Amino acid sequence: GESVGLHLPTLSVQEGDNSIINCAYSNSASDYFIWYKQESGKGPQFIIDIRSNMDKRQGQRVTVLLNKTVKHLSLQIAATQPGDSAVYFCAENIKRWEAAGNKLTFGGGTRVLVKP
Amino acid sequence: EAQVTQNPRYLITVTGKKLTVTCSQNMNHEYMSWYRQDPGLGLRQIYYSMNVEVTDKGDVPEGYKVSRKEKRNFPLILESPSPNQTSLYFCASRRGDQDTGELFFGEGSRLTVL
Repeated sequence: GESVGLHLPTLSVQEGDNSIINCAYSNSASDYFIWYKQESGKGPQFIIDIRSNMDKRQGQRVTVLLNKTVKHLSLQIAATQPGDSAVYFCAENIKRWEAAGNKLTFGGGTRVLVKP
Repeated sequence: EAQVTQNPRYLITVTGKKLTVTCSQNMNHEYMSWYRQDPGLGLRQIYYSMNVEVTDKGDVPEGYKVSRKEKRNFPLILESPSPNQTSLYFCASRRGDQDTGELFFGEGSRLTVL
């Protein structure tokens, strides 16, 4: 696989436990946030998103929490499975001036290792 | 199957030899973008395009060119590659930029410049 995470923070989780991945974002004007999962040798894949007018959103086994007061985003994975081993990125959408459109800025990522 | 296709997936080249990485999407998306991914630096945007014939610089455009002559294609051109352009490149697309929806990524192109 591709070595894209040589310097990434790593979260080791026992299979079956819940995982919590944290992300601090930079811009208080960001209005939309996405979590991506990247498996070795593949491109990032969408997991879940949340708009800034919400503080929680749930998907299948995943929950995203947004705390705008402290500019913090988290991704919770319930009952973590071996297939959840990957690098996880948060991204914030910053609306720029009209002609430039929106800009998605990615965090550095967190590697999740699931132990059997 | 909805997808973003990049070619080549792997390439080793030498300094100064022009190369093009192609990107094609079959989802009729208006918005397309190129990113490079480097250890410790995450994904950084190189160029993006909001529609045909509309392109703009991202955060790290130096040394790259793009074109958007057709909606489905968004090639990345390195006119004179240098070793600092050794990286993993991703093309991505999504529906029109006013929609803040999901970005669909290709599988990546690993480029090594010697």
